[in-house]
Amino acid sequence: GENVEQHPSTLSVQEGDSAVIKCTYSDSASNYFPWYKQELGKGPQLIIDIRSNVGEKKDQRIAVTLNKTAKHFSLHITETQPEDSAVYFCAPDTGRRALTFGSGTRLQVQP
Amino acid sequence: DADVTQTPRNRITKTGKRIMLECSQTKGHDRMYWYRQDPGLGLRLIYYSFDVKDINKGEISDGYSVSRQAQAKFSLSLESAIPNQTALYFCATSDSGTGKEKLFFGSGTQLSVL
Repeated sequence: GENVEQHPSTLSVQEGDSAVIKCTYSDSASNYFPWYKQELGKGPQLIIDIRSNVGEKKDQRIAVTLNKTAKHFSLHITETQPEDSAVYFCAPDTGRRALTFGSGTRLQVQP
Repeated sequence: DADVTQTPRNRITKTGKRIMLECSQTKGHDRMYWYRQDPGLGLRLIYYSFDVKDINKGEISDGYSVSRQAQAKFSLSLESAIPNQTALYFCATSDSGTGKEKLFFGSGTQLSVL
């Protein structure tokens, strides 16, 4: 099965700074790369995703970049705000079965 | 709004008891999933179902069973609860027709086994 590693496990930044979370996967057949955000007391919610034929995707202050050769993809958040504080999960997918999630990154944005 | 509803939100039970966690959805999705969340371990897949007649084990299915009673309902049972099954449980759905990889999660059930 897919082996997924996420780094760092915790990240603290000052409001306005950028944050980067990296996800490494093992299955070269992975072709879909999503990031989920989990706010306190809620279930995870998809915030951005990318497919293997694209190297980068942006949506306002968030972006995902993919390096298929090295088998990793990253979540970038610019101009961080307190409401970005949450746990973030990656979940690379081969399309053959249910998603395998990384262990999560707790992001704390200090005002 | 179309939603994924989990009941109960919180449950405390004793070792050896049988309990059921329920999930229902009004999204019209055909795929349903049960995940377990422990601190520092992310989300781990327990069981998943791609349609009413399809049930598949996930990475941590031992000690759990599921029932897909209808397209909209997917329940998770612990036949004889043990303390290391204390965790936050999430149900999720997805649509095989479009964006099948995109999961929609319920708000979770916090289970404590004493």
